Amino acid sequence: ETGVTQTPRHLVMGMTNKKSLKCEQHLGHNAMYWYKQSAKKPLELMFVYNFKEQTENNSVPSRFSPECPNSSHLFLHLHTLQPEDSALYLCASSLTNVEQFFGPGTRLTVL
Amino acid sequence: RKEVEQDPGPFNVPEGATVAFNCTYSNSASQSFFWYRQDCRKEPKLLMSVYSSGNEDGRFTAQLNRASQYISLLIRDSKLSDSATYLCVVNTYNQGGKLIFGQGTELSVKP
Repeated sequence: ETGVTQTPRHLVMGMTNKKSLKCEQHLGHNAMYWYKQSAKKPLELMFVYNFKEQTENNSVPSRFSPECPNSSHLFLHLHTLQPEDSALYLCASSLTNVEQFFGPGTRLTVL
Repeated sequence: RKEVEQDPGPFNVPEGATVAFNCTYSNSASQSFFWYRQDCRKEPKLLMSVYSSGNEDGRFTAQLNRASQYISLLIRDSKLSDSATYLCVVNTYNQGGKLIFGQGTELSVKP
């Protein structure tokens, strides 16, 4: 059983909708990450949080807004997305910024 | 040049075959190296870390050549269950410790 959970697992939204992705880790890790995985492309790091502080924003458009209320929870708020934002969004956590454990992902489709 | 580059796939091999994956990385300051495995429509999972001295885990052997900035993964006696995409991953501390993923090499093991 993975120690990192993500909800929802699938999401279909229109371009004018606002939705949020949730990630929770039960591993006692201090760092959490959002990645985007599009078809036939490498994983793209979006955001990094260390001890609830954002330490990396990899030039992500402002229509993606992360929130990390504590070391165990991470959100990705979505608004006015584009069809090209359709992808698998993966959350990960780590203790030492080295080995990362991934959640099952949210498969997002933007219509 | 991509930061982490892998053999383009897919690799189609019969059961019992030995298969080798190659990976090169561009940043000589990279410190940690990993192979992750990703099954179809699932999240990546750590397969093994890669150490300078080389390391083996059952049928899997990983090698690192820092001088050539080259990483390899050897799978012996391949099983049907080895079918997956194998991701070469590099951690570079001078980039905030973030993981850089290769695009992955798909392996399909046939009966």
